[in-house]
Amino acid sequence: DAGITQSPRYKITETGRQVTLMCHQTWSHSYMFWYRQDLGHGLRLIYYSAAADITDKGEVPDGYVVSRSKTENFPLTLESATRSQTSVYFCASTFGGSGNTIYFGEGSWLTVV
Amino acid sequence: GQQVMQIPQYQHVQEGEDFTTYCNSSTTLSNIQWYKQRPGGHPVFLIQLVKSGEVKKQKRLTFQFGEAKKNSSLHITATQTTDVGTYFCAGLSSGSARQLTFGSGTQLTVLP
Repeated sequence: DAGITQSPRYKITETGRQVTLMCHQTWSHSYMFWYRQDLGHGLRLIYYSAAADITDKGEVPDGYVVSRSKTENFPLTLESATRSQTSVYFCASTFGGSGNTIYFGEGSWLTVV
Repeated sequence: GQQVMQIPQYQHVQEGEDFTTYCNSSTTLSNIQWYKQRPGGHPVFLIQLVKSGEVKKQKRLTFQFGEAKKNSSLHITATQTTDVGTYFCAGLSSGSARQLTFGSGTQLTVLP
């Protein structure tokens, strides 16, 4: 039972390139989230989605774009990658909103050179 | 915006010693959640506290939620090497915003 899967798990890209991180969940959870994790900052919310076609900004949305055409998918796109976007990215989902248990994917390690 | 501070950032303990991490919010919380992340892994939900003054136990782990619902703690009794990892608190703000804000985490190292 994979639950929530992210791809790619590891990615090296060059500054200025567009990168898309994929996230797929099989639980039909309504809420999905993208977090980035950097040393000393914990987990910071980039974007979240309450349902298909509904997305909203989190704490650090600049430089990122999301879409949610289907409930199960929530891709995150870095339109023009910068070195400051080198991070570990976690996709997560929950059934009923932030007040419920959040289930995290295994993470995508992104390095921008 | 809401801030959740967590201390200490790092803690090294000898196996068998106790460990505590503390979480403080700048605003009153609706609930607080705790997560554990093993090295190289992803955060995994441990528990959720909702009521003022609530105390919950999971084997050697004791979780507390403050009376004012602005602080919380996680205490591990007699640490084991399997406890190694980073422990995060995550506070859900009360009111209409209802955003979950993560603390910066406490990285626990247990020396055998």
